[in-house]
Amino acid sequence: NAGVTQTPKFRILKIGQSMTLQCTQDMNHNYMYWYRQDPGMGLKLIYYSVGAGITDKGEVPNGYNVSRSTTEDFPLRLELAAPSQTSVYFCASREPGTGSGYTFGSGTRLTVV
Amino acid sequence: GQQLNQSPQSMFIQEGEDVSMNCTSSSIFNTWLWYKQDPGEGPVLLIALYKAGELTSNGRLTAQFGITRKDSFLNISASIPSDVGIYFCAGQAIDSNYQLIWGAGTKLIIKP
Repeated sequence: NAGVTQTPKFRILKIGQSMTLQCTQDMNHNYMYWYRQDPGMGLKLIYYSVGAGITDKGEVPNGYNVSRSTTEDFPLRLELAAPSQTSVYFCASREPGTGSGYTFGSGTRLTVV
Repeated sequence: GQQLNQSPQSMFIQEGEDVSMNCTSSSIFNTWLWYKQDPGEGPVLLIALYKAGELTSNGRLTAQFGITRKDSFLNISASIPSDVGIYFCAGQAIDSNYQLIWGAGTKLIIKP
């Protein structure tokens, strides 16, 4: 199984550009998450989804949007890129239930210049 | 947003030494998770803890869920070069809707 697949691995954006970070999982997990990781920091939750058609804001949702049309896919959209969005973005999924461990993708390193 | 207090921030150790790190929180947690992140990769789950006082091992790694439910510890015995990386704790509070709160990480570096 591939697990959680993120594309692209790296991207440089100019201020004001938009892009979509792709995330796909093949484990049939209902719960999916988007995190950002700034240097020297832990993970901060951007958005999450508990199933197809259901999304909700996390700790730092401003400047981002998500959709969940299928169980497998959970894309993250940046509409007007800003330097503050320079970060490493991780997608994760897990099975429902108390305390199940998250499976992470390998990340997308985004630089906004 | 709330974060866990994870310490130390970084550790420089000799190969073969034992390593200890910990996380504390002002909230009571019902789950503690320990992850390791290698450069250029996402975090990978090492150990999951679900009960106060629980002590769980995974090879040379041992983690404990604190009795107060506000802390957790990770120990690595006889460190080897492949142990280098960043170790994160993550906790799940009772009323969190299964969302995790993350520590800032402990960077482990092995001195040559």
